[in-house]
Amino acid sequence: IAGITQAPTSQILAAGRRMTLRCTQDMRHNAMYWYRQDLGLGLRLIHYSNTAGTTGKGEVPDGYSVSRANTDDFPLTLASAVPSQTSVYFCAVQGPYGYTFGSGTRLTVV
Amino acid sequence: GENVEQHPSTLSVQEGDSAVIKCTYSDSASNYFPWYKQELGKGPQLIIDIRSNVGEKKDQRIAVTLNKTAKHFSLHITETQPEDSAVYFCAASIGDYKLSFGAGTTVTVRA
Repeated sequence: IAGITQAPTSQILAAGRRMTLRCTQDMRHNAMYWYRQDLGLGLRLIHYSNTAGTTGKGEVPDGYSVSRANTDDFPLTLASAVPSQTSVYFCAVQGPYGYTFGSGTRLTVV
Repeated sequence: GENVEQHPSTLSVQEGDSAVIKCTYSDSASNYFPWYKQELGKGPQLIIDIRSNVGEKKDQRIAVTLNKTAKHFSLHITETQPEDSAVYFCAASIGDYKLSFGAGTTVTVRA
């Protein structure tokens, strides 16, 4: 089934630990995005990639990094997690009919 | 950058009534305005969108209107049903890139 796969579904992480959230698409679209969703704040853009080999900063990039080695994968890394990074993270792919979102990763930093 | 404001934050309607959600945007260069529906435990899903060369668009019970002069756009749901209960997000962007989202509206349809 074509779509986006995010992993893990949920995670509890100790503060200071490193964590990589995975996002894989099989739709072969160029543009991919990472958003975080927090109550009352909607979805805020963390990082984006217009095509393989390029990335850019969104609205809230601090504490996060991304890479885009190929078209299909767009991992998001928290180098040293802090409690304020507790959130639900969504990966999205931009296609000809709008964005398609993954099912999200619920991350709790304690 | 673009700032999108969305109102109300919560909306409760009787089944069969209409629901209206309003959004304003700050960047006059924005020309793409999608609406997303998010059900519990799932990612947002596109339900309708409008571009700045169109003032209104309908898809069955859902319609979106755009006022470029006032920089606001609205989602209208008619004849609401229980399955319309969800969180709705508006968004805006220049082209289709880097959407900026509103804070969301939780819609509850009462049976």
